[in-house]
Amino acid sequence: QVQLVESGGGVVQPGRSLRLSCAASGDTLRWNGMHWVRQAPGKGLEWVAGISYDGNNKYYAESVRGRFTISRDNSKNTLYLQMDSLRPEDTAVYYCAKDRFGGFPVPREFDSWGQGTLVTVSS
Amino acid sequence: DIQMTQSPSTLSASVGDRVTITCRASQSISSWLAWYQQKPGKAPKLLIYKASTLENGVPSRFSGSGSGTEFALTISSLQPDDFATYYCQQHSSYSTFGQGTKVEI
Repeated sequence: QVQLVESGGGVVQPGRSLRLSCAASGDTLRWNGMHWVRQAPGKGLEWVAGISYDGNNKYYAESVRGRFTISRDNSKNTLYLQMDSLRPEDTAVYYCAKDRFGGFPVPREFDSWGQGTLVTVSS
Repeated sequence: DIQMTQSPSTLSASVGDRVTITCRASQSISSWLAWYQQKPGKAPKLLIYKASTLENGVPSRFSGSGSGTEFALTISSLQPDDFATYYCQQHSSYSTFGQGTKVEI
């Protein structure tokens, strides 16, 4: 069973950037699509971005398209989320989640999740 | 984008009750629907996928049904550990979650 650990969260001013990482252990992620899902304080889950197993296909929610970039390094078993032009409404706990399959052309269910990392966008 | 609407938003129930949560998609998603359970401060946990397939290790009191646009999650006999928030997720056209249903005492 894979373990996922997110890092990189913190407090950042509006308009600034932050990069989140999700490191996997216990199994390889190279055959699985991966996703970022966020949860604003007291709110529900929002899918943010997804990437295919090989990194060739990337998908974004409308709310972050053009500002966030998902990427992966399979040699390091690590997923990333580069967040630029951050807004207060991006404040949330960010979870990484493993797709049961390759994540392309459509995702499947998310069968493993990290514990989340909190991003707070505030001046 | 496909919208997912869950009902009710909050459900008050007692141990032993049979409870049903519904999820409606704004367009057909075939059976590409999953259900997750989330407890406060914890990550979501996959319960059911492909609308009705139970994830390994999930108790059999959980069941899912439906296809197309109408889906349901049923807990046959509510246990103390089941008080949590439940989310449906479509993954027919990328991914969207419902707004959640909180099951409380």
